[in-house]
Amino acid sequence: GQQLNQSPQSMFIQEGEDVSMNCTSSSIFNTWLWYKQDPGEGPVLLIALYKAGELTSNGRLTAQFGITRKDSFLNISASIPSDVGIYFCAGQPLVQGAQKLVFGQGTRLTINP
Amino acid sequence: EAQVTQNPRYLITVTGKKLTVTCSQNMNHEYMSWYRQDPGLGLRQIYYSMNVEVTDKGDVPEGYKVSRKEKRNFPLILESPSPNQTSLYFCASTARSRGYRPPEQFFGPGTRLTVL
Repeated sequence: GQQLNQSPQSMFIQEGEDVSMNCTSSSIFNTWLWYKQDPGEGPVLLIALYKAGELTSNGRLTAQFGITRKDSFLNISASIPSDVGIYFCAGQPLVQGAQKLVFGQGTRLTINP
Repeated sequence: EAQVTQNPRYLITVTGKKLTVTCSQNMNHEYMSWYRQDPGLGLRQIYYSMNVEVTDKGDVPEGYKVSRKEKRNFPLILESPSPNQTSLYFCASTARSRGYRPPEQFFGPGTRLTVL
């Protein structure tokens, strides 16, 4: 099936640093989504991107839908301890319905205070 | 409160002993899905359902069954669990799409299954 390559797989940073992660695919996606998973919880939607080139912010988070529709990045500025968790990108394939999401492998973010 | 609930949250079982993980949503959503999460692989879709009595295979359906007899419930059934089904399982629900923007998927809290 389709796959998303998410990198890096893990990050260890100091509090206050900026964070950047990205996802790439060999296939075109209709929608890109970024989720965060806290320990013991299910993923929660952070940002949704619907158009190629779209740049969207949610507080300290900024994400972009790549022009080629095959990639997306997520930036977190001025990281704080509650940013710790696993971040997943997800793409909705071009011809599938709302049920079909393909997820990246996840980026585990650890923050040293 | 709008939510997706799963039970049990933790389960340790033995190979071959049939089990069911329940999923229920109170948002009147049409779409429901099951995913498994494994280290380094992200979330992979097992089965999904577009409405009552309508189910279809996701990317990794082998060894699993589902049913959708009621709109709110979508149980995941492992008829004969094997150790390679040890994983973290998530149920998710989504409203019907109304427009070009796909609606948000709401995830349950997860069920950690260990098959010995």
